[in-house]
Amino acid sequence: DIVMTQSPGTLSVSPGERATLSCRASQSVITNLAWYQQKPGQAPRLLIHGASTRATGIPARFSGGGSGTEFTLTISSLQSEDVAVYYCQQYHNWWTFGQGTKVEIK
Amino acid sequence: QVQLVESGGGVVQPGGSLRLSCAASGFTFSTYAMHWVRQAPGKGLEWVAFIHSDGTIKYYADSVKGRFTISRDDSKNTLYLQMNSLRAEDTAVYYCAKGARYSYDAFDIWGQGTMVTVSS
Repeated sequence: DIVMTQSPGTLSVSPGERATLSCRASQSVITNLAWYQQKPGQAPRLLIHGASTRATGIPARFSGGGSGTEFTLTISSLQSEDVAVYYCQQYHNWWTFGQGTKVEIK
Repeated sequence: QVQLVESGGGVVQPGGSLRLSCAASGFTFSTYAMHWVRQAPGKGLEWVAFIHSDGTIKYYADSVKGRFTISRDDSKNTLYLQMNSLRAEDTAVYYCAKGARYSYDAFDIWGQGTMVTVSS
């Protein structure tokens, strides 16, 4: 099984500042990597697929990068509505999620 | 609009059974792979099961293999999860999710979830 490891566990960022989340795969997933946002009490929402392609309707401040085993999700200017838990997921070999990174306002 | 609505959750005793349903609308259900994903209280996301668009290929997480069965009825635009021999560790919110463009792809649409509690 491919294990996905996210860091940090919690990220505190001031409004308008940049937030960078990391995700590492235990083996190469090429670019078969997605990012999801889950706000409290809500279902997850697809943000990024193919490691760097924004899903429909996702604001441009969200960007994804990386390939192979190392990936990042960047929120260029954090807004209050971005407070959520973010999960990475590989879909190269079945489907596995990282443990999540909680983003909060500093 | 594109929508998935789960139902069938509830409280069940250990060893019991439950069948979840997921009603799809707003897209051609029969042409997409579908999944079940669960989330235990306060925990992260765990993929549970996959069914190909043609209904013949099914995959399961090791944690549910042999106990859960995924199926679909394209005439009713509905996805199912039959859960047998339930355990306390199966307690979670269960989400159905639509595969994106390809069979082995990200999940682009999610339902709101249905809660399953396994407790005596």
